[in-house]
Amino acid sequence: NAGVMQNPRHLVRRRGQEARLRCSPMKGHSHVYWYRQLPEEGLKFMVYLQKENIIDESGMPKERFSAEFPKEGPSILRIQQVVRGDSAAYFCASSSQNSGNTIYFGEGSWLTVV
Amino acid sequence: GENVEQHPSTLSVQEGDSAVIKCTYSDSASNYFPWYKQELGKRPQLIIDIRSNVGEKKDQRIAVTLNKTAKHFSLHITETQPEDSAVYFCAASSETSYDKVIFGPGTSLSVIP
Repeated sequence: NAGVMQNPRHLVRRRGQEARLRCSPMKGHSHVYWYRQLPEEGLKFMVYLQKENIIDESGMPKERFSAEFPKEGPSILRIQQVVRGDSAAYFCASSSQNSGNTIYFGEGSWLTVV
Repeated sequence: GENVEQHPSTLSVQEGDSAVIKCTYSDSASNYFPWYKQELGKRPQLIIDIRSNVGEKKDQRIAVTLNKTAKHFSLHITETQPEDSAVYFCAASSETSYDKVIFGPGTSLSVIP
């Protein structure tokens, strides 16, 4: 049973470009969460999604950031017009109704903006 | 919304000693409290969790206690080993509403051989 899969693991973008991070939840999981972790800092909640629905996006910056979890395919976190401050590790996590709120993390996507 | 505080931010212990990390939360509706361990460059991994219907849970050298009245919960690691060195995050969420999991700022634990 594969775990939470994220890709790419590492991504380098120039300022002003777009970054797309993908996350496939664990098999049987229908809830996806995105967290951002700046170097040597904690895990900051960004957004919580279920299939085709954004449940809570209170942690998402108001501009340039968007997330989706379509009926088919992975969840995508999209960052437009990246700036140096977007450089961070972006972790996706998933859970299922049966696991209560136990969330399992992917390996993360490390974004570097140059 | 929920706010989770965690202390200390850094902790150094001698190998074999115990380590204790304490967290507080603000939302009285929270009833699920997981702990994650994150090694450098790796993903956070669940090490133990506790739900509000119990006050203590143990798993080998790791134990977690919960005081719902005071909104405190703690992680206890006994007989620490160098491989316990990592950043530990506590978290809280409301199970019944599938609310988001909110993390504390983390504790960097160093176990000195």
